[in-house]
Amino acid sequence: EAGVAQSPRYKIIEKRQSVAFWCNPISGHATLYWYQQILGQGPKLLIQFQNNGVVDDSQLPKDRFSAERLKGVDSTLKIQPAKLEDSAVYLCASSFGSGTGTQETQYFGPGTRLLVL
Amino acid sequence: AQKVTQAQTEISVVEKEDVTLDCVYETRDTTYYLFWYKQPPSGELVFLIRRNSFDEQNEISGRYSWNFQKSTSSFNFTITASQVVDSAVYFCALGDTNAGKSTFGDGTTLTVKP
Repeated sequence: EAGVAQSPRYKIIEKRQSVAFWCNPISGHATLYWYQQILGQGPKLLIQFQNNGVVDDSQLPKDRFSAERLKGVDSTLKIQPAKLEDSAVYLCASSFGSGTGTQETQYFGPGTRLLVL
Repeated sequence: AQKVTQAQTEISVVEKEDVTLDCVYETRDTTYYLFWYKQPPSGELVFLIRRNSFDEQNEISGRYSWNFQKSTSSFNFTITASQVVDSAVYFCALGDTNAGKSTFGDGTTLTVKP
């Protein structure tokens, strides 16, 4: 079974530029998560989708970050414009179930390492 | 608010030593889940175990074992006879059953020297 795929693996941009990350979850997984992991810290949830609807985006900086999950499969996370403090690893994860009323195990992709100069 | 504390930032052991990684959590929920993940240098988080709050039985999987104590809000992870391949960052996470999201600790970096 293929795991969670993410691209690109690395990205270097200058501040105020835009960047987009792509995630393809495990086939059949209804719930998709985007996390931000700053060096030396644990992952922090940015947004959670169930199919193509948003379940939780309370920690997403909506003035510069946006995410979508068209057709309930692939997802893209965009930052526009990027700031220096956005330098981090962006992890995508997916889980099989509804994501509510239980706590499904999340399977993570390899992440995208973003460096903002 | 949910919180996970991994007080040990870094641990270094010599191969074949046993090592315990501590995890203390805070939640007001009566039903919740606890997880451990391993993050090797490649960066991908690897799922190790999931535990629900009603199951306090300790679990052993090969060289790995987990001690869940609700009374002290702890979910500690022990590696027996550590190996160099165990070197990684280990994260403890607390799962919210209402929204399905997880809160992670800041991780413990384990280095196993040959």
